[in-house]
Amino acid sequence: KAGVTQTPRYLIKTRGQQVTLSCSPISGHRSVSWYQQTPGQGLQFLFEYFSETQRNKGNFPGRFSGRQFSNSRSEMNVSTLELGDSALYLCASSTGGGFETDTQYFGPGTRLTVL
Amino acid sequence: AQSVAQPEDQVNVAEGNPLTVKCTYSVSGNPYLFWYVQYPNRGLQFLLKYITGDNLVKGSYGFEAEFNKSQTSFHLKKPSALVSDSALYFCAVRDDTGRRALTFGSGTRLQVQP
Repeated sequence: KAGVTQTPRYLIKTRGQQVTLSCSPISGHRSVSWYQQTPGQGLQFLFEYFSETQRNKGNFPGRFSGRQFSNSRSEMNVSTLELGDSALYLCASSTGGGFETDTQYFGPGTRLTVL
Repeated sequence: AQSVAQPEDQVNVAEGNPLTVKCTYSVSGNPYLFWYVQYPNRGLQFLLKYITGDNLVKGSYGFEAEFNKSQTSFHLKKPSALVSDSALYFCAVRDDTGRRALTFGSGTRLQVQP
């Protein structure tokens, strides 16, 4: 099976712009989670989508949003970019059956740089 | 609230020697524990997980982890380190209270010297 894919791998934006990141989960996986990784804050949970519905949300401002399509692909959007949004954004997929024992499998990430 | 502590920012070990990367956790309910590894410019790669049962869990690439409920620990181990094991290791936890997001530790950089 192909793994989790994320596009683009690298992005450079300027403050105030918006950005959309894309994630394609492992075939058959219905849950997609997004995480932000920075040197200062580490790995932080953004949100999880399952069956096109947001199921869990982390503690991020409303500038961060996401959605999931019927084929389980997910997009994450960040509006009005700030310098502090520079990070590696990781997408993870799992079967999503609702079990806490689910393993999340991660994509390679999108490196976002905000200038 | 869930939390994970990885007390060592870096662990140095000689190739061929055993390695241990430490992790302690705090959760409200029963813990489900995971170890991931991250190589430079890559995402996180799943190594192993503890759900229930045997306290010694075996995973990928010869890694294993020991769950200790009384010490709330889940240390990652390998009997014989390889230079190629050098990477950033993350411990993560989720409990059974319905919150599905993983809570990660701050990561431990493993450096294996030839």
